[in-house]
Amino acid sequence: NAGVTQTPKFQVLKTGQSMTLQCAQDMNHEYMSWYRQDPGMGLRLIHYSVGAGITDQGEVPNGYNVSRSTTEDFPLRLLSAAPSQTSVYFCASSYDSSGNTIYFGEGSWLTVV
Amino acid sequence: EDQVTQSPEALRLQEGESSSLNCSYTVSGLRGLFWYRQDPGKGPEFLFTLYSAGEEKEKERLKATLTKKESFLHITAPKPEDSATYLCAVQAHRRGNTDKLIFGTGTRLQVFP
Repeated sequence: NAGVTQTPKFQVLKTGQSMTLQCAQDMNHEYMSWYRQDPGMGLRLIHYSVGAGITDQGEVPNGYNVSRSTTEDFPLRLLSAAPSQTSVYFCASSYDSSGNTIYFGEGSWLTVV
Repeated sequence: EDQVTQSPEALRLQEGESSSLNCSYTVSGLRGLFWYRQDPGKGPEFLFTLYSAGEEKEKERLKATLTKKESFLHITAPKPEDSATYLCAVQAHRRGNTDKLIFGTGTRLQVFP
């Protein structure tokens, strides 16, 4: 089982560039979310989706955009990269909103210079 | 404001040396407390869910307990393969909203042979 697949694994961007982090899941989960993980801070929710066509903001949404056109895919777009967006990004999917059914991808390491 | 604090930040143990990790939380209306394991370069992996004070869950050398203010992850006779970062998260009851997970910063455990 592939589970949650994120691409790319590593990326270096210049300030002001845009890019998309891809996320796909093959478990037919309705709930998908994006987190960022920074040193000394817990995982923070960026955006989430409770189903195709439905998205909402999390704790730290500024500078990011998402869409959910299919159940399987939930891409995260950085509109104009800033050094403050240097982080590790995790996509997650879950059967419901509970924390005990959540599966995380392996992460995308992003550096903005 | 919902908050999760984990201690210690890092813990070094000799193989076989039992110890405990702490997760203190402040949340209005606990829906669940979750423990995850995160290996270097990987996404978090679900371990346990605890719902009410007094509850305990066990898995191999790990045992999680819950009180009204904190949770402990007890590690009995750890092995080097138990080395990882252990994350704690809480989920609160929220009316009319997705119940978001609030993560702690984690405890990095190293077990030496």
